[in-house]
Amino acid sequence: SQTIHQWPATLVQPVGSPLSLECTVEGTSNPNLYWYRQAAGRGLQLLFYSVGIGQISSEVPQNLSASRPQDRQFILSSKKLLLSDSGFYLCAWSPAGGRSNYEQYFGPGTRLTVT
Amino acid sequence: KNQVEQSPQSLIILEGKNCTLQCNYTVSPFSNLRWYKQDTGRGPVSLTIMTFSENTKSNGRYTATLDADTKQSSLHITASQLSDSASYICVVSFPSGGSYIPTFGRGTSLIVHP
Repeated sequence: SQTIHQWPATLVQPVGSPLSLECTVEGTSNPNLYWYRQAAGRGLQLLFYSVGIGQISSEVPQNLSASRPQDRQFILSSKKLLLSDSGFYLCAWSPAGGRSNYEQYFGPGTRLTVT
Repeated sequence: KNQVEQSPQSLIILEGKNCTLQCNYTVSPFSNLRWYKQDTGRGPVSLTIMTFSENTKSNGRYTATLDADTKQSSLHITASQLSDSASYICVVSFPSGGSYIPTFGRGTSLIVHP
């Protein structure tokens, strides 16, 4: 069966510090991968998605970046965090190709607080 | 601009009662519509998914409907339970570059009281 992991679960970082959140998927190959942010009282916002290694599409311009160094690894980074980067970050995956990629499966999330 | 609007924003009901949540969208071209349940501090979990040709889909006590002509969907919860307390999110996707790009509603916060 497929599983998706995210870490850390919670993170408190000062403004201006770097960020690295990691997401890995097990039990599948060549998944589509997604990073979302959910601010307090707001809906989920798609940040990045990837359909393959090294292929990253950005949906929202910001001081964040994403990388996919391996097939089942997706990393969200920032060189300098802003207060507005606080939120709940979710990674998700979907099967590649065909009707099966209609479904998205979410990880447990990372709660980021920028102080 | 692709948008998904959900109503009501929040809802309080008594255990055992039924309720219906609404979702209106302007996403085009339309690929699929999904309803998710998100418990506080957790990732969303899929309840139902419907394509253009489907107008109803059930998952236990959850029944989703879709009217692609009016671009409206509803999620009906029957005989609510305390564990139904959560945020319910409507997501409409369109195809793009080998993937499906979702547009999320802000969700309806449901509280079920004993």
